[in-house]
Amino acid sequence: KAGVTQTPRYLIKTRGQQVTLSCSPISGHRSVSWYQQTPGQGLQFLFEYFSETQRNKGNFPGRFSGRQFSNSRSEMNVSTLELGDSALYLCASSTGAAGNTIYFGEGSWLTVV
Amino acid sequence: KNEVEQSPQNLTAQEGEFITINCSYSVGISALHWLQQHPGGGIVSLFMLSSGKKKHGRLIATINIQEKHSSLHITASHPRDSAVYICAVPNNNDMRFGAGTRLTVKP
Repeated sequence: KAGVTQTPRYLIKTRGQQVTLSCSPISGHRSVSWYQQTPGQGLQFLFEYFSETQRNKGNFPGRFSGRQFSNSRSEMNVSTLELGDSALYLCASSTGAAGNTIYFGEGSWLTVV
Repeated sequence: KNEVEQSPQNLTAQEGEFITINCSYSVGISALHWLQQHPGGGIVSLFMLSSGKKKHGRLIATINIQEKHSSLHITASHPRDSAVYICAVPNNNDMRFGAGTRLTVKP
C-alpha cells in the first residue's frame, strides 16, 4: 500500500509569508503527527492529530497550526514566516493505538529567505 | 542535560564490523523508537520496544527500563547501513528525540 505522502517536497518562501504543507497518511491510519528538523535543534515534535482532533502538542508558538480532515489527510500551516523556520518538516502516520509503529513521509524542505 | 542522549555522535566503521549505538533517557516512557534517516531526509522506523530485545535481520535493539537505556546493534555492517540513527521517546503528550548518531560504514 502507498506510504505517507508529503507535498510539496521543496519550497522557498519569503519572511512574513505563510505556508501550508500537506500530508496524506497511509490508508486506514487515523493519527498524523508533525515534526520539525533543523541542524541546530534536531527533531522536534510539533503536534499530533487523531480523528480530526489535535491530541498532543509540542512547544511551538501559535504561528504553527494544523488540522486534519475527515479522510485523515492533514495540513500544517506556519504564518508570518521567520528565517528560523527553515527546516525539514516531517509527518508520520499510525493507527493511533499505543505501541503501534509510526511511518514517516519523505518530508517537506522549507527555506525561508 | 538533554532528556534523550545518544552516543556516539559520529561513528565510522569498516564493512563487517559490529556496531553499537546507545541511548539514555531521563523521561518516563511507554516505548522507545529507533529511527533511521538517510541523506535526503526520509525516516524509517526500525524498532519500537518497551521491554527486552527485538531483532530484525542484522539489527538488534535492546532496552533496560530500570536503567533507562537502550542500545541498537548492527551485525556485519554494510555501507548501505550508513545513515543517521535516532532514538525517540514518547513523553506525556509529545515525543523527545536524541540528537542522532551519524554512522558511516566504509567498504
